[in-house]
Amino acid sequence: GAVVSQHPSRVICKSGTSVKIECRSLDFQATTMFWYRQFPKKSLMLMATSNEGSKATYEQGVEKDKFLINHASLTLSTLTVTSAHPEDSSFYICSATGTIGNEQFFGPGTRLTVL
Amino acid sequence: DAKTTQPTSMDCAEGRAANLPCNHSTISGNEYVYWYRQIHSQGPQYIIHGLKNNETNEMASLIITEDRKSSTLILPHATLRDTAVYYCIVSIANSKLTFGKGITLSVRP
Repeated sequence: GAVVSQHPSRVICKSGTSVKIECRSLDFQATTMFWYRQFPKKSLMLMATSNEGSKATYEQGVEKDKFLINHASLTLSTLTVTSAHPEDSSFYICSATGTIGNEQFFGPGTRLTVL
Repeated sequence: DAKTTQPTSMDCAEGRAANLPCNHSTISGNEYVYWYRQIHSQGPQYIIHGLKNNETNEMASLIITEDRKSSTLILPHATLRDTAVYYCIVSIANSKLTFGKGITLSVRP
């Protein structure tokens, strides 16, 4: 299957700082990327959908000014958690779909811990 | 809300076939059935998907009933590494996926 990478795999930061997470499609062009969040022992929850060159569409209850999403190229999307707080600690996972058919492929996830 | 219902858990013996059921009685005509699995602390892994016909790949087989209201994922020879949470999801192609709670498959030696 297609490969989607995320960087970093884990990050620990202080409360009030901003953290950027990168999501890359390595062997296909990702016209659409999705960002999910997963709390312990819970299922994945979609945060937002981003199409290359367009503004992201956020799910209800997700603060767009806190979770900044940029999808500037067909292989890269970034999620920036601004002014992170301990309650933002979670597992953030991106996925991508595009020139590969009907499937959607996921990155390995980024574990964010806010102290 | 997820449009699928799955049992909470099941187990099977290593080397035997694992048959994971999924109900999706409200599936629309243009929605596919997707199966993903997630091993602890990793991103979901794509397994297989189908629209109407049964599908098979190197990982699994997907059997979809004629009325498309249910499906079964078959892992023909389960190994310990197949222990994971398996998600059955219905969605139109290239669209967002709504994850339910999935089914926890435990493969025992």
